[in-house]
Amino acid sequence: QSVLTQPPSVSGAPGQRVTISCTGSSSNFGTGYDVHWFQHLPGTAPKLLIYGNSNRPSGVPDRFSGSKSGTSASLAITGLQAEDEADYYCQSYDTSLSGYVFGTGTKVTVL
Amino acid sequence: QVQLQESGPGLVKPSETLSLTCAVSGHSIRSDYYWGWIRQSPGKGLEWIGSVYHSGSTYYNPSLKSRVTISVHTSRNQFSLKLTSVSAADTAVYYCARHFGWGQGTYYVDYWGQGTLVTVSS
Repeated sequence: QSVLTQPPSVSGAPGQRVTISCTGSSSNFGTGYDVHWFQHLPGTAPKLLIYGNSNRPSGVPDRFSGSKSGTSASLAITGLQAEDEADYYCQSYDTSLSGYVFGTGTKVTVL
Repeated sequence: QVQLQESGPGLVKPSETLSLTCAVSGHSIRSDYYWGWIRQSPGKGLEWIGSVYHSGSTYYNPSLKSRVTISVHTSRNQFSLKLTSVSAADTAVYYCARHFGWGQGTYYVDYWGQGTLVTVSS
């Protein structure tokens, strides 16, 4: 039931910059609800990376940054490191569901 | 540090009830947060199931509402999920989570459990 659309995969060499897009609709981003991002390594608890479009929780490196405009959002990872290889998901709130919605997920591969 | 740990049977028979518990440590479940269940299956991606506040107020995904009950157990610092009449489509990794929500001005999950795989099969 993923309502937010992400590319299945992105890749980059160490040190490079990669971006992950997240496309929503009028019932989530378009209504003004924020985008949030989390990182997931299979078998572990997902980790919050960005909340409120562009805010980093304490302990998250500033290599991670987020933005939102209209019905689209993006996560950027600069200075890509091997430890960044993981699945990344966006998340928001949707008025048609009156609940939480998630992105389809993007696998980041460090070449 | 907030920690959440799911527990429950890993195998449930079709038409029976799936029951999971989430133990919260490092934080009181009586605090001003919501506590929710989210699942991930290969066919449907991540899906919010529902949430509960320590007062007992509940919020459910409309697509699952008729089969879901989420309860909070403040004395044990736990909350639980019951999903009735399960089928193979309910096979998924189930996560419990802490999040912000209704009346708080923002809606995001800040802590997750590691997840537990529940398979529905006879």
